[in-house]
Amino acid sequence: QSALTQPASVSGSPGQSITISCTGTSSDVGTYNYVSWYQQHPGKAPKLMIYDVNKRPSGVSIRFSGSKSDNTASLTISGLQAEDEADYYCNSFTRRYTYVFGTGTKVTVL
Amino acid sequence: QVQLVQSGAEVNKPGASVKVSCKPSGYSFISYYIHWMRQAPGQGLEWMGIIKPNGDITTYAQRFQGRVAMTKDTSTSTVYMELSSLTSEDTAVYYCAREVPETYHFDYWGQGTLVTVSS
Repeated sequence: QSALTQPASVSGSPGQSITISCTGTSSDVGTYNYVSWYQQHPGKAPKLMIYDVNKRPSGVSIRFSGSKSDNTASLTISGLQAEDEADYYCNSFTRRYTYVFGTGTKVTVL
Repeated sequence: QVQLVQSGAEVNKPGASVKVSCKPSGYSFISYYIHWMRQAPGQGLEWMGIIKPNGDITTYAQRFQGRVAMTKDTSTSTVYMELSSLTSEDTAVYYCAREVPETYHFDYWGQGTLVTVSS
């Protein structure tokens, strides 16, 4: 199972919006609405930010939103803040009843 | 509150095995799934497998088949991940994470366990 494809890096200024893409195949992202996103700060464990493509867990800022079209899922961060600077990973359930992560995206706040 | 506490860092020789533990608290251990992931230095996350404690069902990523075993000890409410035939490429931080059954995402994570493989 190959990793889902994400851009290596995305940057934006405070207050701007950025979008991170996550491209899979018809065996994972394209078939299931079980796409989740995780934020990871250096040296820390990942944190769940979005699940089921576009649902936010309790306590996660409304500035984070998710969507999906065909084989590509996306995470949008609106009103970018310094604390959003981190690595972000998408994840999807697959037809083999396994899971696959994206390659990861480093978000930089300029 | 929900916590997953993992065992401490380990150094192992090539060819050896490592067994990492994950002890959940704050919820009924038997009722939730546990996933294992790993992250090599400077690299991304990699899903290794899942154990469903109520039924002892496991599913492993193909690349770890035959080399990984995920088990549980009900008496101590602890889940284990054992990886054998270690090579330097297995040097990584290993994480356990919880899934509410049939929700397909990981809501709580352990703090991570650094496993170093070196002669």
